[in-house]
Amino acid sequence: NAGVTQTPKFQVLKTGQSMTLQCAQDMNHEYMSWYRQDPGMGLRLIHYSVGAGITDQGEVPNGYNVSRSTTEDFPLRLLSAAPSQTSVYFCASSGSGGPSYEQYFGPGTRLTVT
Amino acid sequence: AQSVAQPEDQVNVAEGNPLTVKCTYSVSGNPYLFWYVQYPNRGLQFLLKYITGDNLVKGSYGFEAEFNKSQTSFHLKKPSALVSDSALYFCAVRDMRGSQGNLIFGKGTKLSVKP
Repeated sequence: NAGVTQTPKFQVLKTGQSMTLQCAQDMNHEYMSWYRQDPGMGLRLIHYSVGAGITDQGEVPNGYNVSRSTTEDFPLRLLSAAPSQTSVYFCASSGSGGPSYEQYFGPGTRLTVT
Repeated sequence: AQSVAQPEDQVNVAEGNPLTVKCTYSVSGNPYLFWYVQYPNRGLQFLLKYITGDNLVKGSYGFEAEFNKSQTSFHLKKPSALVSDSALYFCAVRDMRGSQGNLIFGKGTKLSVKP
């Protein structure tokens, strides 16, 4: 099992550009989520999904879109990048029972918006 | 408001000494509590969780955590620290406002273990 994979590892964007951060898991997990990690602020939930076709907003959803067409994939789209979106982004997944059990995290994508 | 606090930004310990990383929480109802560890340039890894039962929870890599309901705390402990334990540690609590079980993370505590 590869676990949770994320691409790219690093990305530099200019203000106003759009991009998609990819996340995939091969553990057949229903629950998937996106977090952003900023210094001194811990991890904040952006969006999450409890299964294919079902997504919902987390704590900081503005400026981001998600979709979940398959169990395996959960891409995060930045519609019009802003410097405030400079952060490290983590994707995570959980099996039955959701995040109240063990979450598996990907290696992260470090995004810089100039 | 539901929240979790890690009062120390950094904890410094000598190798072989016991370590404690502090966490306090504020939730309605019975808490679900977690500890995760992040090594440099890596994603978070699950260490342990408390849902119910014994107040002392044992986890990975020799870590344990003690749930104290009266003090609303869930401190992470290890009897003898290793240099390889140096990492960023996150406490988390289940958000009881929804049914999905999303987690609320603390800001993290950097643990530095010196030889």
